[in-house]
Amino acid sequence: AQKITQTQPGMFVQEKEAVTLDCTYDTSDPSYGLFWYKQPSSGEMIFLIYQGSYDQQNATEGRYSLNFQKARKSANLVISASQLGDSAMYFCAMREARYLTDKLIFGTGTRLQVFP
Amino acid sequence: NAGVMQNPRHLVRRRGQEARLRCSPMKGHSHVYWYRQLPEEGLKFMVYLQKENIIDESGMPKERFSAEFPKEGPSILRIQQVVRGDSAAYFCASSSGLKNTGELFFGEGSRLTVL
Repeated sequence: AQKITQTQPGMFVQEKEAVTLDCTYDTSDPSYGLFWYKQPSSGEMIFLIYQGSYDQQNATEGRYSLNFQKARKSANLVISASQLGDSAMYFCAMREARYLTDKLIFGTGTRLQVFP
Repeated sequence: NAGVMQNPRHLVRRRGQEARLRCSPMKGHSHVYWYRQLPEEGLKFMVYLQKENIIDESGMPKERFSAEFPKEGPSILRIQQVVRGDSAAYFCASSSGLKNTGELFFGEGSRLTVL
């Protein structure tokens, strides 16, 4: 079974609009962390936001927020006021505490394109 | 620059040659992870190392691939007798292992092309 599922291969959004990138996960570990990374065309992996499974509030970092719905096992990324520079691949990832490592399992990604 | 340093950034090899990819973790980090990204795919975990120890190699192909993280010097991912299917971006990441946010700091990747 897929640990991390990103069902949207590609998304389009107009500049200044908000966009939601979906991510669902599968784990039996009660303690885990969820991450979003951005990969622009230049190829580097840029950390965006983190949500711990025990965090009471949804994580926010500037224009990024994570819509964490624990019962549904979803961790969608919301980007507000999209900018042209947001065009990139976005990866959702999970770390399970039981492995006692920082090993991340990644989804297949969503390619976001922001148009003027 | 105190970030994760990978070299070379780009490497071209012919089938049957060896590829060596190097990774220097962030200062103060002793945990190194290698990931492989095939074209148009996500990152797949390969191996997790601490100094002089392989902790988890569950994602490493059984043959031709090896990794080390010696006491001194960078971590090395070695691919022997490369084949076209090895063409990919190889990312190294490091962490302090303190499990605060558990954030992995990634290098810029090494892109291997096998002709």
